[in-house]
Amino acid sequence: AQKITQTQPGMFVQEKEAVTLDCTYDTSDQSYGLFWYKQPSSGEMIFLIYQGSYDEQNATEGRYSLNFQKARKSANLVISASQLGDSAMYFCAMREGLGENRDDKIIFGKGTRLHILP
Amino acid sequence: DTGVSQDPRHKITKRGQNVTFRCDPISEHNRLYWYRQTLGQGPEFLTYFQNEAQLEKSRLLSDRFSAERPKGSFSTLEIQRTEQGDSAMYLCASSRFQGLGIRGEAFFGQGTRLTVV
Repeated sequence: AQKITQTQPGMFVQEKEAVTLDCTYDTSDQSYGLFWYKQPSSGEMIFLIYQGSYDEQNATEGRYSLNFQKARKSANLVISASQLGDSAMYFCAMREGLGENRDDKIIFGKGTRLHILP
Repeated sequence: DTGVSQDPRHKITKRGQNVTFRCDPISEHNRLYWYRQTLGQGPEFLTYFQNEAQLEKSRLLSDRFSAERPKGSFSTLEIQRTEQGDSAMYLCASSRFQGLGIRGEAFFGQGTRLTVV
């Protein structure tokens, strides 16, 4: 069963508009972390933002914010005031079981390709 | 130390040859991960280490694949008898695990792109 679901394979957004990238996840753990990464055409994987399952406030990092809805198991990425340089693949990822002796792999979704239009 | 370093960046090899990739994590990071990414897909987990101990291996990691982290610092990923299906980007990531609820983002290297001809 897929643990991270990104339902938008591709999106086109006008420059300066806000954009929301969807991510839903599946876990039975109480303690987990959620990540978003950006992968431009150069191939490097750039960390954007992190949300812990116990964090009460939504994470924010500059123009990025994570809309965390725990009951719905949703962790959407919001990019405000989009820029041409935001064009890239975006991956949602999850790390389950934050205990020391638990399996701790980070699982990725299939990604959303975001195109910012001038 | 500014980030995760992977070597080589690109590798072209003939089918049947063995290849080895190296990953140097961020120095204070105790966890190290290997992923494989094919074109248009998300990274697929291969294996990860806590210090020198290999804690989990994916079923994607066939007997031809082996990974080591002998002193809990750098890691190597070896593929024996390469096949064309092994062509992919191999990504390494590291993180500092400190315990429950502690922020633990993983930082990635730039990857090694393997082409098997």
